[in-house]
Amino acid sequence: QLQLQESGPGLVKPSETLSLTCTVSGGSITSGDYYWGWIRQPPGNGLEWIASMHYMEITYRNPSLKSRLIISIDTPTNQLSLRLSSVTAADTAVYYCVRQTTGTLYFDLWGQGTLVTVSS
Amino acid sequence: QSVLTQPPSVSATPGQKVTISCSGSSSNIGINYVSWYRQVPGTAPKLLIYDNNKRPSGIPDRFSGSKSGTSATLGITGLQTGDEADYHCETWDSSLGAAVFGGGTKLTVL
Repeated sequence: QLQLQESGPGLVKPSETLSLTCTVSGGSITSGDYYWGWIRQPPGNGLEWIASMHYMEITYRNPSLKSRLIISIDTPTNQLSLRLSSVTAADTAVYYCVRQTTGTLYFDLWGQGTLVTVSS
Repeated sequence: QSVLTQPPSVSATPGQKVTISCSGSSSNIGINYVSWYRQVPGTAPKLLIYDNNKRPSGIPDRFSGSKSGTSATLGITGLQTGDEADYHCETWDSSLGAAVFGGGTKLTVL
């Protein structure tokens, strides 16, 4: 059964870069039927889509975050990565790794999430 | 401020039916499929409805989805206390070029 597992620092200082990795297990990140992406949820708030990427490097980014974010896929390690630069307290959130269908674009699989706090 | 609008909360008693609305616009719900996610606090969201009205394997037929114009609705019949959770609607916004969510609706089963 395919699973997604997020990993990375739980605490990042303001103005620094947040870096997260998602490891895909039980399946291949090179499946042509899916995008792989990130969604976040600030404490007590709703969900915000960050970005999605296909292993063939087709990428979609949230326009409000586009200038600060890099999303990438490493096929040999079956991993997805996120880098978000110049973070502020507003970037404090639970970050979820997700699988998104390329057809009608719903998110059919979610990781357990990892809390990232931006604080000095 | 979310692109899609949901009521912050709804409540009903066990056995009753409840509906949760999701309002959007012509650039999102009006032309794209809607999905719904169920989230028990402290856990990750889980797909509940996709393509407006389809249920993934394992989701009981007590849960249903519909879409009309620029609005979508999630229906839950035969409410159980275990249905208490936050419910989120989502779709693609073709003008923004982004996936967009509603603010989430907290369902309380009294």
